[in-house]
Amino acid sequence: DIVLTQSPGTLALPPGERATLSCRASQRVNSNYLAWYQQKPGQAPRLLIYGASRRATGIPDRFSGSGSGTDFTLTISRLEPEDCAAYYCQQYGSSPFTFGRGTKVEI
Amino acid sequence: QVQLVQSGAEVKKPGSSVRVSCEASGGTFSSYTISWVRQAPGQGLEWMGGIIPMSDTTNYTQKFQDRITMTTDESATTAYMELKSLTSEDTAVYYCARDAKYYYDSSGYYFYHYGMDVWGQGTTVTVSS
Repeated sequence: DIVLTQSPGTLALPPGERATLSCRASQRVNSNYLAWYQQKPGQAPRLLIYGASRRATGIPDRFSGSGSGTDFTLTISRLEPEDCAAYYCQQYGSSPFTFGRGTKVEI
Repeated sequence: QVQLVQSGAEVKKPGSSVRVSCEASGGTFSSYTISWVRQAPGQGLEWMGGIIPMSDTTNYTQKFQDRITMTTDESATTAYMELKSLTSEDTAVYYCARDAKYYYDSSGYYFYHYGMDVWGQGTTVTVSS
């Protein structure tokens, strides 16, 4: 199984700052099938990015994804208070489609 | 826009089974696979497996292989996930999600992945004696 390691575990930044979240895979992710999800307490996850860098429908352009192979990054260019949430990466290039353990963003 | 509506919370005894349903409101999911994901209290997300609707084709994580069954109804409007031999470690919120778009022809299945873009609201399953 592909293990995804997310860092940092928690990220505390003021509004307006840039947040950089990392997701490192134990093996190459086929076809860069890497997604990012945002989850707020008591809510279902929300798709932000798929295919490593493609923004999902309705996602603000302050969210961007990059990377390939084993190293991927989610960047939030200018943090807003509503971005306070947990962020998970998931690879869906090899079954089982594993998730990282998440990064909690505090604002 | 399709929404996924899940069945209500369940409280189960250890050793019993639970069946969670996931109904498509405003359409069907006939051209999409359905994945099931769970989240234990205070923990991260765990992909359990997925199903191609209106077929017997499933893909289960090895961890659940022996005690999970995923099905869909013939109209591809409702998906089901049954988990057997429950223990306290199965206490979690269970989500269904619309996953890969797929096509089928004589050569087999073709999948187009755009992430899990539509999620159910989650079903809380509590296993307690």
